[in-house]
Amino acid sequence: DGGITQSPKYLFRKEGQNVTLSCEQNLNHDAMYWYRQDPGQGLRLIYYSQIVNDFQKGDIAEGYSVSREKKESFPLTVTSAQKNPTAFYLCASSARTGTEQYFGPGTRLTVT
Amino acid sequence: QKEVEQNSGPLSVPEGAIASLNCTYSDRGSQSFFWYRQYSGKSPELIMFIYSNGDKEDGRFTAQLNKASQYVSLLIRDSQPSDSATYLCAGYAGGTSYGKLTFGQGTILTVHP
Repeated sequence: DGGITQSPKYLFRKEGQNVTLSCEQNLNHDAMYWYRQDPGQGLRLIYYSQIVNDFQKGDIAEGYSVSREKKESFPLTVTSAQKNPTAFYLCASSARTGTEQYFGPGTRLTVT
Repeated sequence: QKEVEQNSGPLSVPEGAIASLNCTYSDRGSQSFFWYRQYSGKSPELIMFIYSNGDKEDGRFTAQLNKASQYVSLLIRDSQPSDSATYLCAGYAGGTSYGKLTFGQGTILTVHP
């Protein structure tokens, strides 16, 4: 079954803790993306990676970090420097840059 | 000005009618555009993409692109209550920002029986 998986579905953390969100794809896609969605808002790009071992900042990268050591995996770390981390986090992938993106089911992060 | 802007919603149509969703973009370098459907609490689902000027049809959905007017639209024919969702328009940036997909804020569509 090809697709994008994100885990966990719900995540609760205390303020000041770093947390890592998982994203895995078995579509053999080169490009992967992380977005954040706040209630009633559109999607905002955090980081994207066009190829293994390379990634670029999106529009709201401050307080986040990523790695792309394997083609299939693009984990996102939400650090304690992120001032308002509670949100719905979405991972996506595309065959290559500029083509249609497909989304995983998302992770809802709540930080209190 | 937002890079991708969708017509203000929410939009309400009766079952069986045509729903028309519109989107404008400011980056003339943008080449490809996408429409996603997002049900409440779920992740976006790709329903249409369009790269060339003109119309593209897929079942009850038709995407229209007019690069001269920087305008993208989605028509949903024979609307069903199951089409009730938020629809997101997105376009890839051109130039040095190539690779970044920018989303509009979304239009909430309600199809009432």
